[in-house]
Amino acid sequence: EAQVTQNPRYLITVTGKKLTVTCSQNMNHEYMSWYRQDPGLGLRQIYYSMNVEVTDKGDVPEGYKVSRKEKRNFPLILESPSPNQTSLYFCASSTRDRFTDTQYFGPGTRLTVL
Amino acid sequence: KQEVTQIPAALSVPEGENLVLNCSFTDSAIYNLQWFRQDPGKGLTSLLLIQSSQREQTSGRLNASLDKSSGRSTLYIAASQPGDSATYLCAVRPPNFGNEKLTFGTGTRLTIIP
Repeated sequence: EAQVTQNPRYLITVTGKKLTVTCSQNMNHEYMSWYRQDPGLGLRQIYYSMNVEVTDKGDVPEGYKVSRKEKRNFPLILESPSPNQTSLYFCASSTRDRFTDTQYFGPGTRLTVL
Repeated sequence: KQEVTQIPAALSVPEGENLVLNCSFTDSAIYNLQWFRQDPGKGLTSLLLIQSSQREQTSGRLNASLDKSSGRSTLYIAASQPGDSATYLCAVRPPNFGNEKLTFGTGTRLTIIP
């Protein structure tokens, strides 16, 4: 089954404790992205990757890091989480040409930073 | 900077009615526009994709239109069913192919009343 998986699904942590949210896709997609979703603000793109070792900032990259060492994995790293990073996080992957642009989203990770 | 707006934020209609959801964007230079559905506690599912050169796309009871010059898109749902209850989001991609940035609206939460 084609899918994007994220782990963990729920996480409560404290300020300053480094954490990693994993994302993996089994569709051999080139493109992967991380988003955060906040009430009233919608989904905002944090980082994206166009292929292995190619990443770039989205609209809200501050406080986050990513890496793309393998095509299937795109972890999101919070080196020193703060309460304003409490949010619902989504990973997405896609393969695109000029005619198709279907985004596949993971189930989300709800992060609470105390 | 591209801004995407969806009004209203919430909509309730009786089962069986036809309805229209709205999406507005400030920069008409887009590559494509997509409509997504988000169910509570779950990720997003792609519904329809309209390329900038197209005027509309149809899938079953769904029809999405695009008027690039006025910066508007609509999602028409025919003969609504309780299973259509969800949050609907639109997203636009900038015109340069290969750009992975995607700007989302804040969504319309739709409730179909049985």
